[in-house]
Amino acid sequence: EAQVTQNPRYLITVTGKKLTVTCSQNMNHEYMSWYRQDPGLGLRQIYYSMNVEVTDKGDVPEGYKVSRKEKRNFPLILESPSPNQTSLYFCASSSDGDRGLRYTFGSGTRLTVV
Amino acid sequence: QKEVEQNSGPLSVPEGAIASLNCTYSDRGSQSFFWYRQYSGKSPELIMSIYSNGDKEDGRFTAQLNKASQYVSLLIRDSQPSDSATYLCAALTGGGNKLTFGTGTQLKVEL
Repeated sequence: EAQVTQNPRYLITVTGKKLTVTCSQNMNHEYMSWYRQDPGLGLRQIYYSMNVEVTDKGDVPEGYKVSRKEKRNFPLILESPSPNQTSLYFCASSSDGDRGLRYTFGSGTRLTVV
Repeated sequence: QKEVEQNSGPLSVPEGAIASLNCTYSDRGSQSFFWYRQYSGKSPELIMSIYSNGDKEDGRFTAQLNKASQYVSLLIRDSQPSDSATYLCAALTGGGNKLTFGTGTQLKVEL
């Protein structure tokens, strides 16, 4: 089954403790992206990647890191999480179609930083 | 000014009616537009895409695009309670590499 898999689904952590949220897709998609979703603010893009070793900042990259060493994986790293990073996070992937990005989303990771 | 704007709602329509959801965008260079549906507690799901001015129909859904007015809309005919969800408008920006979302419109279809 074609899918984007995120782990974990739920995570509670403490301020300053480094964490990684994993994302993997089995569709051989070139594009991958991380979004966070907050009430009243909608989906905001954190980082995106156009292919292996090619990443770029989205609208809210501060406090996050990403890497794209393999085509299928795009982990999101929070080096020193803070309470304002409490949010619902979505990973998404898309092929590089001539009509633009048609993202498939993962199931989401609900992160709470205390 | 936000790149993609939507009225947050909620928009309430009776079962069987037409629901009309609207979206405006600011980047005149945007060429591709998308509508996603998100049920509460779930991830967004792509339901429509539109690239040219005019209407595009898919079942009960019709997407409309007016590039001169920078306006995108989604019509849902014969609305069902199962259509109750948040509808997210998205535009491809940043030279085609970045998908920017509006904040979404909550639709409630009432029996």
